[in-house]
Parts: sequence; C-alpha cells; structure tokens
Amino acid sequence: DGGITQSPKYLFRKEGQNVTLSCEQNLNHDAMYWYRQDPGQGLRLIYYSQIVNDFQKGDIAEGYSVSREKKESFPLTVTSAQKNPTAFYLCASSPGSYNEQFFGPGTRLTVL
Amino acid sequence: GESVGLHLPTLSVQEGDNSIINCAYSNSASDYFIWYKQESGKGPQFIIDIRSNMDKRQGQRVTVLLNKTVKHLSLQIAATQPGDSAVYFCAERPGSARQLTFGSGTQLTVLP
Repeated sequence: DGGITQSPKYLFRKEGQNVTLSCEQNLNHDAMYWYRQDPGQGLRLIYYSQIVNDFQKGDIAEGYSVSREKKESFPLTVTSAQKNPTAFYLCASSPGSYNEQFFGPGTRLTVL
Repeated sequence: GESVGLHLPTLSVQEGDNSIINCAYSNSASDYFIWYKQESGKGPQFIIDIRSNMDKRQGQRVTVLLNKTVKHLSLQIAATQPGDSAVYFCAERPGSARQLTFGSGTQLTVLP
C-alpha cells in the first residue's frame, strides 16, 4: 500500500514537554511538508523539505523543529517553546515542489 | 503576504442538485491551483487541479473554472451526493514559490 502515514492519531502532552510527530511516505516523493490546522481554519505551513538533509521554515515555524535524514521520513518536534500547540497536524508530500501535495491522515495533539 | 480567500464559509445544497464553491485569490503571479476535500478528522484529499494556462478542467462529476481576469476560482460538483459533505479548500501556488497557500475552506452540507 502506497501512501503517507502519520502516527500517532491522537497525542496528549503535558505543558513543558517536547513531543515528536511521525510522518512516513513510501511514494518516493522528494518534497515533504508539515501543516498546522486549527478548528474552522485553513492550513498553515510550519516547515517544508525539498530534498534530504535540507528544510526551510514556513509561516509559523517558531516552537517547532524538523529533520530530514531519510527521503521517506520527516518527523516534526513540537517543543515547549510553542505557546499554543493544541491543534491538528498534517503531513504532506509531493513528487516535487511544483506538484500537488498528498496528505496523511493527521495527528491531533492536545496539551493538558 | 497575499492570501487565498473564500466567498462563503458554509453552503447547503439539496441532494442531487449541483454545487458551486467559490474562491478568490489575490496573487496575480499564481500559476497553479488545487481543490481539496477534507472530511471531519481526516487529511485533505486532492480533487482536481488547474494551471493558469487553462480556463476550465473537468473530472468525474467535478469541474474547476479559472477566471484570471477577476482572480476567481470555482469548483462545481454535479449531482451532489451525501458523501460530498465536507470542507473544501482551494490552494494556490505563486509562480515563484515552492509551497501552496490555502484558503480557510467552505463547509458543504448536502441535505436529504
């Protein structure tokens, strides 16, 4: 089965803790993206990566970090510096930067 | 920065009727547009895309129209079905950018 997987589906975190969200794709896509979605709103870009070992900040990168050590994996760490981390996080990939993006099922993060 | 917006946040249609979802964009440099469908608690699904050298593109039960003169994009769904109930997002990519900008979405509700 080809596609994008995100885990876990639901994640709970205590204030002050870092947490890492997983994103894996077996589509052989070069580009990968992380978005944040708040209730009733659109998607906001956190980070994106066009190639292994390279990534760029999106519109709301503060309080987040990423790595791209492998083509198929693009984990997102939500750090304690993120003031309002409760949200729905979506990972996407595309064959290149100029193509449609394919989305994973999302991870809902709740800070307790 | 420039943004993508939607005229109506909600739309209700009778089952079997046609639906039209509108989207206004402000960046005249955008050359690629996508419509996504997002069901509750899931990741967005690609519906159809269109490049700026086209005015119209048809898929299965869906048609996207692009009016570059007034910077307007629309998604037409023929014979709307209950399974079409979802939030629909348009996204644009400015020609120089390598990422998409998403609108805030329209909630489509299909009435029995």
